Amino acid sequence: DAGVIQSPRHEVTEMGQEVTLRCKPISGHDYLFWYRQTMMRGLELLIYFNNNVPIDDSGMPEDRFSAKMPNASFSTLKIQPSEPRDSAVYFCASSLNTPREQYFGPGTRLTVT
Amino acid sequence: QKEVEQNSGPLSVPEGAIASLNCTYSDRVSQSFFWYRQYSGKSPELIMSIYSNGDKEDGRFTAQLNKASQYVSLLIRDSQPSDSATYLCAVIPGTASKLTFGTGTRLQVTL
Repeated sequence: DAGVIQSPRHEVTEMGQEVTLRCKPISGHDYLFWYRQTMMRGLELLIYFNNNVPIDDSGMPEDRFSAKMPNASFSTLKIQPSEPRDSAVYFCASSLNTPREQYFGPGTRLTVT
Repeated sequence: QKEVEQNSGPLSVPEGAIASLNCTYSDRVSQSFFWYRQYSGKSPELIMSIYSNGDKEDGRFTAQLNKASQYVSLLIRDSQPSDSATYLCAVIPGTASKLTFGTGTRLQVTL
C-alpha cells in the first residue's frame, strides 16, 4: 500500500493568499484526520472525518480554515486568507474502523511570509 | 493540568542501555494508549498500542500501562543510535473518539 499521500510537501505563500492542502488516505480507511504541528503547541487535531462526514471540527482555529472530504479517497484543508501564524507542518492521518491506530502522511510544511 | 504530559527531555542514554519514557494522563476513564516515534523532519509513526493494564512487548519495545496511577511508559531495550527520535504519547480520553498527544520526549542514544 502506498500509505497516506499528501501534497504539496512544501508550500511557501504570501500573507493573504489562499492555500489548499490535499490528502489521499490509505485505501479502505474510513477515518481521516487533519493535524497541525508547531514547536510551541505540538501536534494538534484540527478536524476528523468518518465515512466522509466531518465529526469533530472543534480544533479548527478560526473561520479562515475549512476542510472537505468529497469522497473516500480525497480530502482538502483550505486556509483563506493565510497568515504568518499559520506556518506549521500539517499532517493528514487515516485509520481503519476506529480512530485508534492512525497512520500519518509525510506532511505539508507551510510557510506564510 | 494538561491531558497528556511528558517530560520534553532530552533523555540521553548510552548505546545498549534501556531507555525509559514516561507519560501521565488526566482522564481516569481513558481506555486506549499509544506510542508514536517521530524522527526529525518526518511524520509520527505508530510503534506501540496498549489497552489493558500490564506489559505489552514487541521486539525491543515494551509498553507498560497502570490505569490506577494513570501512567503509561515505553521501555526500549538495547537502545541503538537509530532509536534517537522524539517519542509521542497519545491517549484517547474517556468516551472521546480522537487522540490527544503529549508534547513528546526527545531521546538521544549516544555511542
